[in-house]
Amino acid sequence: GAVVSQHPSRVICKSGTSVKIECRSLDFQATTMFWYRQFPKKSLMLMATSNEGSKATYEQGVEKDKFLINHASLTLSTLTVTSAHPEDSSFYICSAQDKRGEGDTQYFGPGTRLTVL
Amino acid sequence: SQQGEEDPQALSIQEGENATMNCSYKTSINNLQWYRQNSGRGLVHLILIRSNEREKHSGRLRVTLDTSKKSSSLLITASRAADTASYFCAPRNQFYFGTGTSLTVIP
Repeated sequence: GAVVSQHPSRVICKSGTSVKIECRSLDFQATTMFWYRQFPKKSLMLMATSNEGSKATYEQGVEKDKFLINHASLTLSTLTVTSAHPEDSSFYICSAQDKRGEGDTQYFGPGTRLTVL
Repeated sequence: SQQGEEDPQALSIQEGENATMNCSYKTSINNLQWYRQNSGRGLVHLILIRSNEREKHSGRLRVTLDTSKKSSSLLITASRAADTASYFCAPRNQFYFGTGTSLTVIP
């Protein structure tokens, strides 16, 4: 299957700093990427849909000024958590949509564990 | 709600046994996908079943779909310890996942 990578896999930062997470589709072009947040033992929550070359579409309740998304190329989307606070600590997962296969399958990255002290 | 609801929430079986988990949804769908997530990692796509299909196989996986009941099931045969993970269903090209079924396969 298609491969999606995320970097970094784990990050610990101080409150008030900004953190950038990269999501890359390694062997296919992804016009659409998605960013999720997952809490322990809870479901994935879609944060935003990122389309190459256009502004991201944020889900209700997600602060777009806090979670900046950039999708500058067909293989890279970035999520920047600005002025991070402890409540932003979570597991962030991206996915990329591969339109070559059946059903526009999403392929997920391995996730990034963010801990804000 | 557009998300799938998995049942049971947790399942523990012995290695070699079969594991069945169910998914219910509320909206009409074009397809339904099953995913697996190992602890603290990203999701892995397992199988997709289209709305005009009733059953689909992939290796030890068997998925059924009943659109009249808005439900799907995932059967894992001859389970292995490596199958221990959380399993999620996603109706349509869905972005709303439930809490999943946590499967533990005991060696």
